[in-house]
Amino acid sequence: EPEVTQTPSHQVTQMGQEVILRCVPISNHLYFYWYRQILGQKVEFLVSFYNNEISEKSEIFDDQFSVERPDGSNFTLKIRSTKLEDSAMYFCASSSTDPGPQHFGDGTRLSIL
Amino acid sequence: EDQVTQSPEALRLQEGESSSLNCSYTVSGLRGLFWYRQDPGKGPEFLFTLYSAGEEKEKERLKATLTKKESFLHITAPKPEDSATYLCASRGTGFQKLVFGTGTRLLVSP
Repeated sequence: EPEVTQTPSHQVTQMGQEVILRCVPISNHLYFYWYRQILGQKVEFLVSFYNNEISEKSEIFDDQFSVERPDGSNFTLKIRSTKLEDSAMYFCASSSTDPGPQHFGDGTRLSIL
Repeated sequence: EDQVTQSPEALRLQEGESSSLNCSYTVSGLRGLFWYRQDPGKGPEFLFTLYSAGEEKEKERLKATLTKKESFLHITAPKPEDSATYLCASRGTGFQKLVFGTGTRLLVSP
C-alpha cells in the first residue's frame, strides 16, 4: 500500500540553526500538508499546499517557516531559525482529493537544543 | 472556532469487552469527520471519513457513526492489537485543515 515517507526520523539541531524536513507524498496525490504534535498535545495544522502554492496556513506558520515542492516527488518544510519551542513531531500528509482523507507519514522528531 | 473534544481520555478494556469512544465537534459547515489510529512513535493512520449525519462506516471490529454534534467509534469484541490512541478530527467549510481532538488511549488486556 502506498505511503507517505518522511526523513529523517529524528533531527537534533542547535537553537538558531536552520532545519529542513523532507517528505515524499503518495505519488498520485495533489494536496500536501504539514502538521506538528508537541509531546502530550494535540496534532496541530501548520500549512496546506496545492498547485505549487500555499492554500491555507495557521497562526503557527509564521515567517520562520516555509514550504517547497522542489521536484515532482518531494515536499519540504524549512524552519529558518529554530527555537526551543519548535521541538515537536512534525507530520507530513497528502490527499488525492479535496476534501478527501489525509494520509500521514510517521513523522520527524525535531529536538532543538 | 472549530473544536473537537474526545472522551474518555483513556479506556481500559478486557479482550472481548465492547465499548464506544466519543467525539463531540463544533464546526461551521462540516465537510468531513475523520477517525485515525495512532500507535506510539507513529503517524496517524486513517480509518474512516463520515460526511453527513446518519452515516456509518465499518471495518473489522470498528464502526464509526455520525450525528449532527457527535461521532462514535464502536469497538466490538476488541483484541489486544486494537490498543492504540484513537484520534478524531473535523474539517469545516472553507478550510483544508483538520482540527484534531486530544484522542482516547485504548488499552485492551488479554
